[in-house]
Amino acid sequence: GAGVSQSPSNKVTEKGKDVELRCDPISGHTALYWYRQSLGQGLEFLIYFQGNSAPDKSGLPSDRFSAERTGGSVSTLTIQRTQQEDSAVYLCASSLGQFAPNTEAFFGQGTRLTVV
Amino acid sequence: AQSVAQPEDQVNVAEGNPLTVKCTYSVSGNPYLFWYVQYPNRGLQFLLKYITGDNLVKGSYGFEAEFNKSQTSFHLKKPSALVSDSALYFCAVRDPNRAGKLIFGQGTTLQVKP
Repeated sequence: GAGVSQSPSNKVTEKGKDVELRCDPISGHTALYWYRQSLGQGLEFLIYFQGNSAPDKSGLPSDRFSAERTGGSVSTLTIQRTQQEDSAVYLCASSLGQFAPNTEAFFGQGTRLTVV
Repeated sequence: AQSVAQPEDQVNVAEGNPLTVKCTYSVSGNPYLFWYVQYPNRGLQFLLKYITGDNLVKGSYGFEAEFNKSQTSFHLKKPSALVSDSALYFCAVRDPNRAGKLIFGQGTTLQVKP
């Protein structure tokens, strides 16, 4: 596609429910990143996929968070048993990856998650 | 471990004055450095990057940044600020030796007043 696409744009869920957030990266981009941004705050790194390599999961805040990337393209971030502190904007980005590390990442518009 | 620091939460300047948004980094090798801007309720937009070569790089909307290896800094600058430049600015670093992981600073809010 023309840009990074994220869905849904907004999600309101009840505490304790599971949610899935989707990211469709730019075609041909082998690297995909997930970040979390709390209200007006910085970008917290969550997870990084690079091609077929094992993902860097070092930023996932708890075992309630998981992500997968199927076929090297679309990625899904899953949050189980959501808590109110999970409320944030979840941003996805993609780039050409480690074989072109001098290239910038492109961001989607984000999914605003609200846990009530 | 690679890291980025933006020491100022907020920078206030008057329209027409020069602006500087500070960024320092830490990586094991030669860094790739980026600046992004986030306007209210919008996604992040790429502004400029330093890869190699000339220490002064120019980017979108009249912004530029100066790479200083000895001070491990990559400050964002603009000679004459506009009210429309008011936004949240992020510095980011990629260590080429760490498979492309991109790490961001905590962000600096730029407020340009008329």
